[in-house]
Amino acid sequence: GDSVTQTEGQVTVSESKSLIINCTYSTTSIAYPNLFWYVRYPGEGLQLLLKVITAGQKGSSRGFEATYNKETTSFHLQKASVQESDSAVYYCALGHTNTGKLTFGDGTVLTVKP
Amino acid sequence: NSKVIQTPRYLVKGQGQKAKMRCIPEKGHPVVFWYQQNKNNEFKFLINFQNQEVLQQIDMTEKRFSAECPSNSPCSLEIQSSEAGDSALYLCASSLSNWGQDTQYFGPGTRLLVL
Repeated sequence: GDSVTQTEGQVTVSESKSLIINCTYSTTSIAYPNLFWYVRYPGEGLQLLLKVITAGQKGSSRGFEATYNKETTSFHLQKASVQESDSAVYYCALGHTNTGKLTFGDGTVLTVKP
Repeated sequence: NSKVIQTPRYLVKGQGQKAKMRCIPEKGHPVVFWYQQNKNNEFKFLINFQNQEVLQQIDMTEKRFSAECPSNSPCSLEIQSSEAGDSALYLCASSLSNWGQDTQYFGPGTRLLVL
């Protein structure tokens, strides 16, 4: 089956510092899954942050970026300088190429301290 | 921002009762997905539709859950006989296709509490 692992359940970072949220995936059903980062801001619904559908490519949005690494089966989320408004829950997800079904990680709660 | 509408936002039922929730996908999106997010933040895919046809569903959905997406009406997900373990956030998402590269746009969810 498919699975996504986010090793950090909670991350606290001071404003203007750099951030990395780890994500690794495993799949037995598809050679090239599509990879996504979704975010849920406080009081809001789940929304797409960025996606990458081609291995080796990088996606970016709102200062965040993630590279689809097929060799290490990773899709880590990075930002050079976080802001307080980035405080949210971040979910890494694997999308099945043929069915579209998403498999999510358990999420990482990011708290940015002023 | 997503334009997927889900109602009601909150639903409280007793064990054994029916629980029904609705979803209006984004205009022009023929594919609808339902996911369950439990109290441990774990997501579980339940079922998806293209127009009115079921594309894929898991065993749990086949047994106690029923879902439909009738033409010109909201999609719905109904639990026939609610159990305590069904307490969760139910998320509806819509997409242009069931191809994995197309983004799924999520509604705010219906939070079900089964007492």
